[in-house]
Amino acid sequence: DQQVKQNSPSLSVQEGRISILNCDYTNSMFDYFLWYKKYPAEGPTFLISISSIKDKNEDGRFTVFLNKSAKHLSLHIVPSQPGDSAVYFCAAGPSFGNEKLTFGTGTRLTIIP
Amino acid sequence: GAGVSQSPSNKVTEKGKDVELRCDPISGHTALYWYRQSLGQGLEFLIYFQGNSAPDKSGLPSDRFSAERTGGSVSTLTIQRTQQEDSAVYLCASSLVGNSGNTIYFGEGSWLTVV
Repeated sequence: DQQVKQNSPSLSVQEGRISILNCDYTNSMFDYFLWYKKYPAEGPTFLISISSIKDKNEDGRFTVFLNKSAKHLSLHIVPSQPGDSAVYFCAAGPSFGNEKLTFGTGTRLTIIP
Repeated sequence: GAGVSQSPSNKVTEKGKDVELRCDPISGHTALYWYRQSLGQGLEFLIYFQGNSAPDKSGLPSDRFSAERTGGSVSTLTIQRTQQEDSAVYLCASSLVGNSGNTIYFGEGSWLTVV
């Protein structure tokens, strides 16, 4: 039972345009959501997070949106840069400070120069 | 060290052999996790250590898998009688538990291939 779903295994975006990565979850107990970025042969690195009390969190070019009623979150990257090419994992946890996260299967983002 | 360190980075083993994977977390981090990623799959939670509490082993896929954490620091994940389906990258992570946040820092992973 995949509780965190990333239905797009891959996405290609032109440099300078907006990249939108989507994530859906099924467990209503999830209260804290994170995005991780992974380059080949490296471990995932934390990118941005959001708690359920917010619907938006912004950090530079990265913005995460949360729609709790739809159990959906998205990561927007604008403008997209070649260095953003990586696999992006969505993760969810039951509460802030609880580290047992459930990860999605990842979306491979390719930025086309 | 500055980050989470894992060894070996790559391991090829014969089916039926035992393997040990090591993780050295970030100094001062009280929480340590093991995840694995099989081909085409997401990150699968295996086990979680937090301080002196009993570990959360709910993600271990079978009794061939075990892990320990000695002295609250280094952890070893052991897979006995390896099977081909155990082939995956095994990721260790650590975090500083508390109100400062729950950002998990991952190591580069140990790539295990069972032939």
